[in-house]
Amino acid sequence: AQSVAQPEDQVNVAEGNPLTVKCTYSVSGNPYLFWYVQYPNRGLQFLLKYITGDNLVKGSYGFEAEFNKSQTSFHLKKPSALVSDSALYFCAVRDPRGNDYKLSFGAGTTVTVRA
Amino acid sequence: SQTIHQWPATLVQPVGSPLSLECTVEGTSNPNLYWYRQAAGRGLQLLFYSVGIGQISSEVPQNLSASRPQDRQFILSSKKLLLSDSGFYLCAWSVTGAGTDTQYFGPGTRLTVL
Repeated sequence: AQSVAQPEDQVNVAEGNPLTVKCTYSVSGNPYLFWYVQYPNRGLQFLLKYITGDNLVKGSYGFEAEFNKSQTSFHLKKPSALVSDSALYFCAVRDPRGNDYKLSFGAGTTVTVRA
Repeated sequence: SQTIHQWPATLVQPVGSPLSLECTVEGTSNPNLYWYRQAAGRGLQLLFYSVGIGQISSEVPQNLSASRPQDRQFILSSKKLLLSDSGFYLCAWSVTGAGTDTQYFGPGTRLTVL
């Protein structure tokens, strides 16, 4: 079985401050991990993924995420948040040993960046 | 490059009416295709996925069905809509292979059942 948890429904930060969105996962083997962003009334946009290799993954729009196997976490970070980063963020996981190609998504975290 | 289309963008339907939502993908072959529903702007519920023409897996028993008549076409249908079918419907595609399991989403269809 595979699952993710996003412990925070909402994250509020001031523009220019660091932004962190938390994600923890549960999967039997080595996970594939993903972050997506969704703006109102739009589809999800892919930000970044971890498959293997370097634990620090860099993605679109200045976002990065760090895979921590011992803590089973994959937190999304941005050093300096922008007002335009205000959106709904989803973490997702897949067990690559499965043959159904399904992702398990977290419940989402709403990020609000105030000017 | 690959693109994914969904239509219509918005739909208002009365209870008991039929439904047909269409999703097409361009620029790739033999994609895996997915239908999700998102209620109230929050979590995603996987409804159906397909790994090939005519191969549909259902995740949740309900009054919806899916079909894949062509390699890059995925259709979500209902014979009689319920109020609870309202939501934001998202189609996604992926290509199987090392590092290419990423799902890419379409723009979505906002369905309101009255």
